[in-house]
This record gives sequence, structure tokens and C-alpha cells, in this order.
Amino acid sequence: AQTVTQSQPEMSVQEAETVTLSCTYDTSESDYYLFWYKQPPSRQMILVIRQEAYKQQNATENRFSVNFQKAAKSFSLKISDSQLGDAAMYFCAFTPDQGGSEKLVFGKGTKLTVNP
Amino acid sequence: EPEVTQTPSHQVTQMGQEVILRCVPISNHLYFYWYRQILGQKVEFLVSFYNNEISEKSEIFDDQFSVERPDGSNFTLKIRSTKLEDSAMYFCASSEDFKGGSGQQPQHFGDGTRLSIL
Repeated sequence: AQTVTQSQPEMSVQEAETVTLSCTYDTSESDYYLFWYKQPPSRQMILVIRQEAYKQQNATENRFSVNFQKAAKSFSLKISDSQLGDAAMYFCAFTPDQGGSEKLVFGKGTKLTVNP
Repeated sequence: EPEVTQTPSHQVTQMGQEVILRCVPISNHLYFYWYRQILGQKVEFLVSFYNNEISEKSEIFDDQFSVERPDGSNFTLKIRSTKLEDSAMYFCASSEDFKGGSGQQPQHFGDGTRLSIL
């Protein structure tokens, strides 16, 4: 079974500081994709960043970067220079690479609070 | 930027009644999905739909549920004979067609419909 675990139900960070959100997953697949989605209060989930498992280089998107450790099945999200607008639920998600769009398997989410 | 839109934002229904949740996916997308999130729990996959048929469904998606693309723009989730445990946030998502070497196309989500069963 494919599972995604986010061990931090809640995190907080001071504005302009850096925070890391943890995610681990379990799969027997060798090719897959990992995602971080952000869900602001009462808003839709927005894709923040994605990582292809076959790529060794960690993905980055502006202030967002990941630390992908394939052997450890770990996929953490680092947010640098945190801004008030970063406050949201963050979901880690996994999907196998089976040649078409496939279902996402989500973690329970981490609620990030940004303190001014 | 194009968005997935869902209506209504909140639906209140009596137990045992039928409910239809509506979604308008992004216009050039070909894969459609429904997920649900019971309060305090994970977002769970329900069903995926491609080329006018279900491509995958989860154990949750039993005979009580059905999906339909009645026209070129809407994608609906019907829940028959609703139960208290169907109360949840229901998310619709869509993605572009698979483009071979470019890999997985990201799924774009709507704001969700909060379904409350009384």
C-alpha cells in the first residue's frame, strides 16, 4: 500500500525565517512523483512544487525547495524568508508514474502559522 | 489563470436524500477527479475519469456514488441515499492529458463543496 505521512500536525515560523515541513512516504514503485500542495483557509489547493523520483536534483521554486531523499523515502519542504501569505495547510502527496495522470495519495497535512 | 470551479460551496442535505455536486474543470483538461476530506482526516481519492469513463476508483466509491460528464464542460458527482458519514469536503480536480516524456501533469483543484448530512 502507498502511504504518505506528515508527522507535524502544526508548525509555526516567524516572518522572514525559514521553516521545514516533513514528509515521508512508503511505496514499492521505482518511478513516481511527489508534490507539495498549499491550501489557504477556505481556498483551493494550489501546487507549490513537484519532484520526479528519477531526478536526483532537488526541485526549487523561488522561496520553496525540497530535500528529496529517495533511499529514506523522505520529501521535506523548506520555505525560506517566510511571508504572512505562506500561512496555510500544506499537503504532501504522491503519485506513481504509470504513463497517465493518476490518483494522488495525500498526507494528513501540516498547518503552518506565520507570526509577524 | 484558468480555475476549476465547484458549486455549491456548501450543501446541506437530509440523510437518505440524493445530492449532486458539480464541477467545471479547466477547459483543455482531459482527466477529472473527485477527492473527499472528512473533517480532521486525510484527503482521499474517490474516482478518476478519462475519455468518458471511470479510469480508476477507490474502495470508498461504491454503488452509492456515480460520476457523469453530461456535457462538454460539467463533471458531476452524485451521491444516492446519503448517510451521515458522507459529510465531508469534496474536491474536484482536473489535469491535462499525459504528454509522454514530460511526465505527470499536475492536478488543479477547485475550492471544494462542503457537504453536510443532517
